[in-house]
Amino acid sequence: SAVISQKPSRDICQRGTSLTIQCQVDSQVTMMFWYRQQPGQSLTLIATANQGSEATYESGFVIDKFPISRPNLTFSTLTVSNMSPEDSSIYLCSALPGVTEAFFGQGTRLTVV
Amino acid sequence: DAKTTQPNSMESNEEEPVHLPCNHSTISGTDYIHWYRQLPSQGPEYVIHGLTSNVNNRMASLAIAEDRKSSTLILHRATLRDAAVYYCILGAGGTSYGKLTFGQGTILTVHP
Repeated sequence: SAVISQKPSRDICQRGTSLTIQCQVDSQVTMMFWYRQQPGQSLTLIATANQGSEATYESGFVIDKFPISRPNLTFSTLTVSNMSPEDSSIYLCSALPGVTEAFFGQGTRLTVV
Repeated sequence: DAKTTQPNSMESNEEEPVHLPCNHSTISGTDYIHWYRQLPSQGPEYVIHGLTSNVNNRMASLAIAEDRKSSTLILHRATLRDAAVYYCILGAGGTSYGKLTFGQGTILTVHP
């Protein structure tokens, strides 16, 4: 199993600024992922955070907007850059310690004003 | 990714069984069937998964049709804590597993 901690749990940000979300896993994991959940919607995968290399982004998401770091096997960050109100969402980190069960953080609730 | 179809919402009474259906008529032979649920204000949590045979764990049972084109998540005795959005997800096994494609899910309401 894995316990995932995300920081901050919520934030209110001004448009045009950037926010970095941290994800800490209590054990070493090979695979980490970042998801977005827009208000009233389901989760959408943003990218796979690869340890030691550039993240792999899904269609519709780009590195300039959502830069991701993965410096080691227990930690990753997602930055939401040049924010607009459309970026108001819950951002969730996920980790896959094995091959059959993904674990999720509690999410970061972002409001852009 | 193959698509799943779930009812938008279902209701149940506490301590009664709940059967949550999922249709996946375009499932491939290597797709696993995964169920996750998301309680209010929390991240999703794993419930159960299977490939061909029915599966049981401490949380639920998964019944898979013989042709694998549908499946049913069974909560044997619903509690108020089971009120959540339940997602049926198809995916490959192995290291590509973590890339989950969430549909809209079924909102389960449990009445006392």
